[in-house]
Amino acid sequence: QLQLQESGPGLVKPSETLSLTCTVSGGSISSSSYYWGWIRQPPGKGLEWIGSIYYSGSTYYNPSLKSRVTISADTSKNQFSLKLSSVTAADTAVYYCARQSRRVVVVITHLDAFDIWGQGTMVTVSS
Amino acid sequence: DIQMTQSPSSLSASVGDRVTITCRASQGITNFLAWYQQKPGKVPKLLIYAASTLQSGVPSRFSGSGSGTDFTLTISSLQPEDVATYYCQKYNSAPLTFGGGTKVEIK
Repeated sequence: QLQLQESGPGLVKPSETLSLTCTVSGGSISSSSYYWGWIRQPPGKGLEWIGSIYYSGSTYYNPSLKSRVTISADTSKNQFSLKLSSVTAADTAVYYCARQSRRVVVVITHLDAFDIWGQGTMVTVSS
Repeated sequence: DIQMTQSPSSLSASVGDRVTITCRASQGITNFLAWYQQKPGKVPKLLIYAASTLQSGVPSRFSGSGSGTDFTLTISSLQPEDVATYYCQKYNSAPLTFGGGTKVEIK
């Protein structure tokens, strides 16, 4: 069955760039039916959507993070990645990757709920 | 941006009790509303999408209702394994906002 696995450094220094990769197995990120997203959760707090990407490169970002976020996809490796620049302690969180269905109604693309999640990876921002 | 407000933020109920959690959107989102369950130390799990459609494999004691701005997640008979934090999420348009969560405990 489809599985997602996050990977990347667990410790990032303030002002540097956080980089994570999500490897998808048991299915292809090149499917026309899905977007692939990143969500984070600071310790003891709630969930925050970061952004989502279609295999072709089309993206949606959370406006609160948009100036610092880049999400990209590598179909040859069946992976998608997150880069978050100029990190501070407030970016310390568990970062999840997840799959969401894509629907096109007339010409408008709609994103659905996140139905399959990775296990999450803890990233700490500290010097 | 549309804000999602959950209430209560926490509750304690007895095994077998009927539990209701509310999620309110600051603007109408038709039925583009999902509910997730996150057990302590675990990954969030999709319970309900389209406000009332049960995800495959989710026990039938869970149900969702509502449309527009007001939504409800109901557990008809609370079980010990239902101890978790529950989140609503709207997905009608970006940003895909989550509610603040409702922590459910056993009395």
